[in-house]
Amino acid sequence: GIQVEQSPPDLILQEGANSTLRCNFSDSVNNLQWFHQNPWGQLINLFYIPSGTKQNGRLSATTVATERYSLLYISSSQTTDSGVYFCAVDGDYKLSFGAGTTVTVRA
Amino acid sequence: KAGVTQTPRYLIKTRGQQVTLSCSPISGHRSVSWYQQTPGQGLQFLFEYFSETQRNKGNFPGRFSGRQFSNSRSEMNVSTLELGDSALYLCASSLVDDTQYFGPGTRLTVL
Repeated sequence: GIQVEQSPPDLILQEGANSTLRCNFSDSVNNLQWFHQNPWGQLINLFYIPSGTKQNGRLSATTVATERYSLLYISSSQTTDSGVYFCAVDGDYKLSFGAGTTVTVRA
Repeated sequence: KAGVTQTPRYLIKTRGQQVTLSCSPISGHRSVSWYQQTPGQGLQFLFEYFSETQRNKGNFPGRFSGRQFSNSRSEMNVSTLELGDSALYLCASSLVDDTQYFGPGTRLTVL
């Protein structure tokens, strides 16, 4: 199956800082999604981004499909950005998830 | 539009019992997928249904089963529960094969 690796595993930020999360995947994929898991466990969609760049407020994402990686940028981080960020790639009617990046934003 | 709903939200069972979890997809969505999340294994795919047909199944024992009804609602069943089945079970729906939207999950504890 497709292997998905996320880095770094943990990230501690001061409020207002910028950060980049990375997702590498081992094979060609139909699509790629970024999620934020809230403290209650629900996965919140951030981006559906099989290729190219998208922006949504302080978050943006870039996927370079030919080089099999995606980046999630968080700018001017806030404490509400804390949580686990997952990258997931689609193949054979299923999502394969990375292990996640745990982000902690300190006030 | 209402989001994906899952019932029940929390469940406590004992070893050897069986459990049925329910998922109602977003209106109009025909694909429903199930995932298990544990601290040790992370998020793992269980199965996916589209128009009542199972299109893919993950690497789980036969104790895990599922089905989808004609209204796209889905259920998953776990028989002969084991301690290791304690997990957050997440359901996701999508229109066809695109963005997947997740429900709030069912947190199962097996004692």
